[in-house]
Amino acid sequence: AQKITQTQPGMFVQEKEAVTLDCTYDTSDQSYGLFWYKQPSSGEMIFLIYQGSYDEQNATEGRYSLNFQKARKSANLVISASQLGDSAMYFCAMREGQGGKLIFGQGTELSVKP
Amino acid sequence: NAGVTQTPKFQVLKTGQSMTLQCAQDMNHNSMYWYRQDPGMGLRLIYYSASEGTTDKGEVPNGYNVSRLNKREFSLRLESAAPSQTSVYFCASFDRPDDEQYFGPGTRLTVT
Repeated sequence: AQKITQTQPGMFVQEKEAVTLDCTYDTSDQSYGLFWYKQPSSGEMIFLIYQGSYDEQNATEGRYSLNFQKARKSANLVISASQLGDSAMYFCAMREGQGGKLIFGQGTELSVKP
Repeated sequence: NAGVTQTPKFQVLKTGQSMTLQCAQDMNHNSMYWYRQDPGMGLRLIYYSASEGTTDKGEVPNGYNVSRLNKREFSLRLESAAPSQTSVYFCASFDRPDDEQYFGPGTRLTVT
């Protein structure tokens, strides 16, 4: 069965520094997708970045990059040059196969200090 | 484009009452999902519908029923609400496996 683990309940980072949020996953499928979402205190879910299991390059979207290590089954999110507006909950999620359900990790609460 | 809409935004129920949470999407997506979010638990999948006419159980289906009314609409019903169902409920949809899942704004439900 698929499983997503985020081991950092809370993280602090200084403004303008980079931060890595950890995510490990478990699946027996060869084809899967990994996602990161941001949830600010207002509650909406904001899509950040996607990595497919067959993608050879790490995904990047602006200040977000995904450090994908397939053999270790990890998909860490790296946020460069943190901003105060990055303070939020961050969720890692995985979808198996072509139409599989999307399963979420427990989340990491990131606080950016000025 | 409204995206994914949910009604109501807030609801208070007494134990034993029933209600239906409505969800609609205007993006012509095949797949639709219902999640609940409790503090410290992340999002847990209640039910999903991979295509019109099909529904499947997720991680926490007990106490809920769903109806995929048509391609646009996917409703979640609580037949006899319990305090343990106090939560924020999110509806979501997606089209391609490599595409993001689009979320509605959520429904905050309190059962007393």
